[in-house]
Amino acid sequence: GQNIDQPTEMTATEGAIVQINCTYQTSGFNGLFWYQQHAGEAPTFLSYNVLDGLEEKGRFSSFLSRSKGYSYLLLKELQMKDSASYLCAVMDSNYQLIWGAGTKLIIKP
Amino acid sequence: GAVVSQHPSWVICKSGTSVKIECRSLDFQATTMFWYRQFPKQSLMLMATSNEGSKATYEQGVEKDKFLINHASLTLSTLTVTSAHPEDSSFYICSASPGTGESEPQHFGDGTRLSIL
Repeated sequence: GQNIDQPTEMTATEGAIVQINCTYQTSGFNGLFWYQQHAGEAPTFLSYNVLDGLEEKGRFSSFLSRSKGYSYLLLKELQMKDSASYLCAVMDSNYQLIWGAGTKLIIKP
Repeated sequence: GAVVSQHPSWVICKSGTSVKIECRSLDFQATTMFWYRQFPKQSLMLMATSNEGSKATYEQGVEKDKFLINHASLTLSTLTVTSAHPEDSSFYICSASPGTGESEPQHFGDGTRLSIL
């Protein structure tokens, strides 16, 4: 079966750095997406990785290792507004998105 | 670019009412749109994939007669919750991507919060 695993919840301090991991087992791979979802709102697109390596976009970076079925989202200089759920999703060989359950990130002052 | 508009944002209605939710791609054409449901503190659940000009593909366990999907144009898909009951209360979200069969990110509408009394 297809499976996406990410931690249920993480806590970090304002100004710090946090890494949210995602491991996946899917039938084929056409890219991995990270989305941010604030409570009561729809998800917003953060990043897309299809090749191995690190993609940096401001305070957020996303890393992919296809051989390990592994990705992480790195958030630097954390702000209170970064408190949200972060969803990992993999596009399989049929271009279907397989969603993880999301990681709730709590930022403390 | 890639803006998806969803309407209405909130619906509160009596049990037995049918509710229609619209999803529009504002600045691109979307051959495929997706409908999700999300219960509080749970992950997104794909309900169906809406294909322009053809029947929607429903996920296992989703009643197609209960959740009617119409994708009449390349910019509009509608989801109708027929004879809604309190257990249908949820957050419904649509998404679309500019590409077809490509690794394009899905862009989400703002969601519709449905409360059935």
